[in-house]
Amino acid sequence: EAGVTQSPTHLIKTRGQQATLRCSPISGHTSVYWYQQALGLGLQFLLWYDEGEERNRGNFPPRFSGRQFPNYSSELNVNALELEDSALYLCASRDRGQGTYGFTFGSGTRLTVV
Amino acid sequence: DQQVKQNSPSLSVQEGRISILNCDYTNSMFDYFLWYKKYPAEGPTFLISISSIKDKNEDGRFTVFLNKSAKHLSLHIVPSQPGDSAVYFCAASAYGGGSQGNLIFGKGTKLSVKP
Repeated sequence: EAGVTQSPTHLIKTRGQQATLRCSPISGHTSVYWYQQALGLGLQFLLWYDEGEERNRGNFPPRFSGRQFPNYSSELNVNALELEDSALYLCASRDRGQGTYGFTFGSGTRLTVV
Repeated sequence: DQQVKQNSPSLSVQEGRISILNCDYTNSMFDYFLWYKKYPAEGPTFLISISSIKDKNEDGRFTVFLNKSAKHLSLHIVPSQPGDSAVYFCAASAYGGGSQGNLIFGKGTKLSVKP
């Protein structure tokens, strides 16, 4: 069974540009979560999508947005990039029936803003 | 305001000895706690969890202890092995193991196990 896949692995953008990160959940998983791991800050919750809808949002500005497609894959968009957006962005998926312990993470996208 | 705190950024132990990683939380609504392990260039992987109705959960070399009155949990690894060297994240959920909501993570503790 394929795990959670994220693309690209690395992304370098210039301040002010937009970045698009992609996540494919484990087959059958309907919930997708996005986390940001900035240096020294641990994993900060960004967004949660389930069945195509945004269910919850962390304490991030509106320039962080995303969507979930009918096949449950998801996209995270970061507009007007700032230097402090440089971080590892992790996606996790979960099967509705698995509860809290069902989180499975991808390997992440390393975003560098220069 | 950080709801899940791991106050030790790093920990170094000798192979074969016990590793104790600590985690404190502030939100009384948290009722399910998890530990994740993360190697460089990989995503976090689930290690062990505990419900607030328990005070101990054991899985092989890994044991998690929960002290609800102190809002404190700890992960014990006995015996520690070099392959345990990784960053360990404590996480909490406010709605139990069946929750569909998000997890709140600490900043992580980097464990180094020396041969």
